[in-house]
Amino acid sequence: AQRVTQPEKLLSVFKGAPVELKCNYSYSGSPELFWYVQYSRQRLQLLLRHISRESIKGFTADLNKGETSFHLKKPFAQEEDSAMYYCALSGAGSYQLTFGKGTKLSVIP
Amino acid sequence: NAGVTQTPKFQVLKTGQSMTLQCAQDMNHNSMYWYRQDPGMGLRLIYYSASEGTTDKGEVPNGYNVSRLNKREFSLRLESAAPSQTSVYFCASRAGEVRGYTFGSGTRLTVV
Repeated sequence: AQRVTQPEKLLSVFKGAPVELKCNYSYSGSPELFWYVQYSRQRLQLLLRHISRESIKGFTADLNKGETSFHLKKPFAQEEDSAMYYCALSGAGSYQLTFGKGTKLSVIP
Repeated sequence: NAGVTQTPKFQVLKTGQSMTLQCAQDMNHNSMYWYRQDPGMGLRLIYYSASEGTTDKGEVPNGYNVSRLNKREFSLRLESAAPSQTSVYFCASRAGEVRGYTFGSGTRLTVV
């Protein structure tokens, strides 16, 4: 079974402060991990994939297989980062994408 | 290039009524998905279709049926709507294993 845990429902930070959104996963094989972002009442948009090791909108995420984590980080939060963030996992060869319950990020001006 | 298109965007149903949510993608993706999004629950998979002609249950399939009409279209049907099915429904598609999913804009369904 595959499971994704996002321990924080809500995270509030001040503009310019560092941000870390936590994601832990449970999967016995090699997972494919994603971060999705959903701005108010909009569709989910892919933010990052762990295999591409890219930085989008200043966000980065590193897969830590030892700690089974895929935390999302940004050094300096901006007001436009306020949104709902979902961590998601797909197992190798699986067609299913399992989401965490999401973390609402609120950036205070 | 529209991506994933869902209709309708909003719908109010009375308990016991039926309706079909439509989803179409123009990216030639093989797999398509239906999720429901509820506060505090994240997104939960209802049904998916790995390829044209196949459908499989996800995490919360009870009360729903699906049809993969062709490679482009994947519909979700509520035969007898219940208040517990009040939710936002998202359709998604995926080209292959190493690419991310593309989501539609959602259907906000209220069952009264």
